[in-house]
Amino acid sequence: DTGVSQDPRHKITKRGQNVTFRCDPISEHNRLYWYRQTLGQGPEFLTYFQNEAQLEKSRLLSDRFSAERPKGSFSTLEIQRTEQGDSAMYLCASSPRDLTKYTQYFGPGTRLTVL
Amino acid sequence: GESVGLHLPTLSVQEGDNSIINCAYSNSASDYFIWYKQESGKGPQFIIDIRSNMDKRQGQRVTVLLNKTVKHLSLQIAATQPGDSAVYFCAENINDSWGKLQFGAGTQVVVTP
Repeated sequence: DTGVSQDPRHKITKRGQNVTFRCDPISEHNRLYWYRQTLGQGPEFLTYFQNEAQLEKSRLLSDRFSAERPKGSFSTLEIQRTEQGDSAMYLCASSPRDLTKYTQYFGPGTRLTVL
Repeated sequence: GESVGLHLPTLSVQEGDNSIINCAYSNSASDYFIWYKQESGKGPQFIIDIRSNMDKRQGQRVTVLLNKTVKHLSLQIAATQPGDSAVYFCAENINDSWGKLQFGAGTQVVVTP
């Protein structure tokens, strides 16, 4: 399978714990995006990487959230001191190097439940 | 239409009929639009895209129409099949925004036999 992969697919944690999610983009896609989706809503942009550089962060991304893409390939999203309001589907997407092509291909998502 | 919380607009379509899903986008500076299909528990799946210099684009069984005058986008699905049942989102890219997408509220399509 050469699509975007995310791990884990589901995560249940207790309030106050830290969690980390991983995204592996489509090979050779240099742009990577994180989105958050709550039930009944469309995905909301969180942050964007071009290669290893984090170029944009949404105001939704509080100080408890941090994302990295150290080698310009896979990315991690960490949430510290989780809160019940963090419960959502976290989606990763990637798009190709060609700047004329904005099509983003999404992974299956990581569903986070904070108890 | 607009969605509030869990109450997605729903389009019920009989199998074999054509479906039309509408979307009003927000920013006149948007230059690229995508339709995604999302099945329960899965990530959004790319269907078709269109640039702002076009007003129509066709794919396999799908057609996207763009009306920039009224900031309206539609997705037409021909001969709707049970496998088309899903939530459909339109998304727009605002020019020079690093390709980040802004999603609409979504429309639930239910295909009945």
